[in-house]
Amino acid sequence: DQQVKQNSPSLSVQEGRISILNCDYTNSMFDYFLWYKKYPAEGPTFLISISSIKDKNEDGRFTVFLNKSAKHLSLHIVPSQPGDSAVYFCAASAPRGGADGLTFGKGTHLIIQP
Amino acid sequence: DVKVTQSSRYLVKRTGEKVFLECVQDMDHENMFWYRQDPGLGLRLIYFSYDVKMKEKGDIPEGYSVSREKKERFSLILESASTNQTSMYLCASSLAGTGLGGYTFGSGTRLTVV
Repeated sequence: DQQVKQNSPSLSVQEGRISILNCDYTNSMFDYFLWYKKYPAEGPTFLISISSIKDKNEDGRFTVFLNKSAKHLSLHIVPSQPGDSAVYFCAASAPRGGADGLTFGKGTHLIIQP
Repeated sequence: DVKVTQSSRYLVKRTGEKVFLECVQDMDHENMFWYRQDPGLGLRLIYFSYDVKMKEKGDIPEGYSVSREKKERFSLILESASTNQTSMYLCASSLAGTGLGGYTFGSGTRLTVV
């Protein structure tokens, strides 16, 4: 049963335009949400996060929006650049045992076209 | 610069072999994790550890075991490798209580079981 869902396996966006990646979750116990970016043959790298007490967090070209009532978050990249082409994973955090376990979505492959 | 190092980038093993995947972090992190990444399935948690000699099952522990004898090292063991364990394996670590962006991933080990 998937608790974090990224329903778009891939997304193609023209360079300079806005990229919007979406993520839905089902577990109301999640208290932090994160986006990771992954290039082929590399490990994921942290991009941006948001606490469940906020509805927006911005870092340069990246903005994450959280709609708790809809259990939905989105990542906006403006303007999109060729180096943004990667797989983006949405992740959610809830206490798991003694560690902060992350639950990941399946990922969205973002392709920025020149 | 903080680092999570996975001993091998690529491994090819035969069915039935016992396989060890090693992960070392130099950040004095309490938590360590093993994920596998498969196309269309995203990152799935195999095992994690929140302290030396402590381990907990993740979402897909079957066919795997782990060992954490020292804080900096977390080993994933495939007791008898099978072809369905062909995957990209990712190790991560984090400080206790820092789920928000606190994961650092290694570069991954691409394991092929033939």
